[in-house]
Amino acid sequence: DIQMTQSPSSLSASVGDRVTITCRASQGISNYLAWFQQKPGKAPKSLIYAASSLQSGVPSKFSGSGSGTDFTLTISSLQPEDFATYYCQQYNSYPPTFGQGTRLEIK
Amino acid sequence: EVQLVESGGGLVQPGGSLRLSCAASGFTFSSYWMSWVRQAPGKGLEWVANIKQDGSEKYYVDSVKGRFTISRDNAKNSLYLQMNSLRAEDTAVYYCAREIEAAAGTSDYWGQGTLVTVSS
Repeated sequence: DIQMTQSPSSLSASVGDRVTITCRASQGISNYLAWFQQKPGKAPKSLIYAASSLQSGVPSKFSGSGSGTDFTLTISSLQPEDFATYYCQQYNSYPPTFGQGTRLEIK
Repeated sequence: EVQLVESGGGLVQPGGSLRLSCAASGFTFSSYWMSWVRQAPGKGLEWVANIKQDGSEKYYVDSVKGRFTISRDNAKNSLYLQMNSLRAEDTAVYYCAREIEAAAGTSDYWGQGTLVTVSS
């Protein structure tokens, strides 16, 4: 199975900040990489697929990049509703696997 | 509006069985791969299984192979997960999810989840 490793595991930031989360795959996955946001007690929400394509309705403050093994999710101008846990997921090969998550907290 | 509503979760003893259901609405169910993803309490996300539009292809994570069966009824706009020989480590919230059109394996819409607890 392909292992996905996110860094950092947790991150403290302030409203208005710009943050970047990194996701690394244990082998090349082309651009078959998705990002999800999850708030406590809620279902995950899809943000990005194909490494950089924004899902419908997701604000442009979220952006993704990367290809191969290294990927990033950038969130600009943090707002209170952005504080959540973020997961990356590869879907290049079965089984699809998720990173361990990055908890974004308010400083 | 896409809606996915799971049901069927509950408390079951180790070795027992449970069948989860997911009622889909707001889209053409028969046109999409569908999947189940689970999340153990306080843990991360784990993809469990998915199924092709016509049910002809199914994939599972190794930890559930031979114990879980994914199925669908396109006439009823419903997805199912039959879970047998349940273990304590199967305790989780199970989410039903619609996979994206561009490629199988990742999802754009998720249900609210149903909790399965395996305990004696």
